Amino acid sequence: GAVVSQHPSWVICKSGTSVKIECRSLDFQATTMFWYRQFPKQSLMLMATSNEGSKATYEQGVEKDKFLINHASLTLSTLTVTSAHPEDSSFYICSAESFKSPEGPSTDTQYFGPGTRLTVL
Amino acid sequence: AQSVSQHNHHVILSEAASLELGCNYSYGGTVNLFWYVQYPGQHLQLLLKYFSGDPLVKGIKGFEAEFIKSKFSFNLRKPSVQWSDTAEYFCAVKGSNDYKLSFGAGTTVTVRA
Repeated sequence: GAVVSQHPSWVICKSGTSVKIECRSLDFQATTMFWYRQFPKQSLMLMATSNEGSKATYEQGVEKDKFLINHASLTLSTLTVTSAHPEDSSFYICSAESFKSPEGPSTDTQYFGPGTRLTVL
Repeated sequence: AQSVSQHNHHVILSEAASLELGCNYSYGGTVNLFWYVQYPGQHLQLLLKYFSGDPLVKGIKGFEAEFIKSKFSFNLRKPSVQWSDTAEYFCAVKGSNDYKLSFGAGTTVTVRA
């Protein structure tokens, strides 16, 4: 249980284009989803937190107009990198926290997706 | 603001050796503590977590961690490592009433056969 998927697993795009990354909780409903960025050999940096049906909360220094987050349902959140530039190349990871349910995975625990490698040429 | 410090950047050891990874945190209230592992090419997986109760927590794959409140520490241990334990290990902390998970910088563990 508590499986989170991301699509695509890797993407290469040209500078100036937009890229959408999907994050899905496959076997549980996620009240909250998180988007992180991980640079090589470094830790995860939280970019934003999204709750289903409401606007995302962005961390300081993260441009909300550049990294658009939509949390359309309890199992799907999307991150769109708009007008991508080479400096946006990174590993983007999502995580999901479970809706309270006796049958579901633990609440207050984030379950992570496999990540999406974005390369902007 | 909360912060997490992992003492070792890279640990190299032989199979069957014991492993201990240090983790200290800075936070002004009650915390939830986690250790995640990231195997090469794979996603982060939860090893173990501590919310309350017995400060000695047992996780998957033979790992355990001890929460020492007075030292603000949550060190990870495994008595005998295997080659398959080669991975990146992350300590993470969350205020019990907070949503944000703060990660340490990670420790790369290389186990030589």
